[in-house]
Amino acid sequence: ETGVTQSPTHLIKTRGQQVTLRCSSQSGHNTVSWYQQALGQGPQFIFQYYREEENGRGNFPPRFSGLQFPNYSSELNVNALELDDSALYLCASSIGLGQQETQYFGPGTRLLVL
Amino acid sequence: QQQVKQSPQSLIVQKGGISIINCAYENTAFDYFPWYQQFPGKGPALLIAIRPDVSEKKEGRFTISFNKSAKQFSLHIMDSQPGDSATYFCAASKASGTYKYIFGTGTRLKVLA
Repeated sequence: ETGVTQSPTHLIKTRGQQVTLRCSSQSGHNTVSWYQQALGQGPQFIFQYYREEENGRGNFPPRFSGLQFPNYSSELNVNALELDDSALYLCASSIGLGQQETQYFGPGTRLLVL
Repeated sequence: QQQVKQSPQSLIVQKGGISIINCAYENTAFDYFPWYQQFPGKGPALLIAIRPDVSEKKEGRFTISFNKSAKQFSLHIMDSQPGDSATYFCAASKASGTYKYIFGTGTRLKVLA
């Protein structure tokens, strides 16, 4: 186990609603990245937080937003849900910044938008 | 330029055989290449990673071969076992900025007993 937990495990929402997904990283992991994994695809980078500040963002619209808290937890918020937002959402934490910092992935939250 | 192309999409191997998964990239700024293994219902887990200053890295039954001039790298799983049945993702990142991973599309490996 990676020590990274995510909640909830599954979620069903309807188009136009808002959703908050949560991630709890290992203690001491200052970096958290969020990825979207569509069915049959590789994870796509959404954004990254380092010590509670956004450190980069992928090609996702502003309705995807995030927060990182001092207690090593973080949130992904998605507003105005669209059908294409249906996917597995993964968070990954690492101790610091740097490409060789191993990213430890949680099991994901599977979101279905109807 | 940001893509990592992975093949094959799926692979069936007999127990004890060699599984080979290939990836190719365009962006020469990529200089870190991890491989992740994902079982159903789980998040990806790091298997092995390589930097382009070496042409091969081996850890147990898993070997990465790297061809910098061709911008290609591959994962070899020796003596494949049924427990290796999973989806494998290659990824790439740059040595600056967010160090985000660009993932391939995945290879679903099934090892027959």
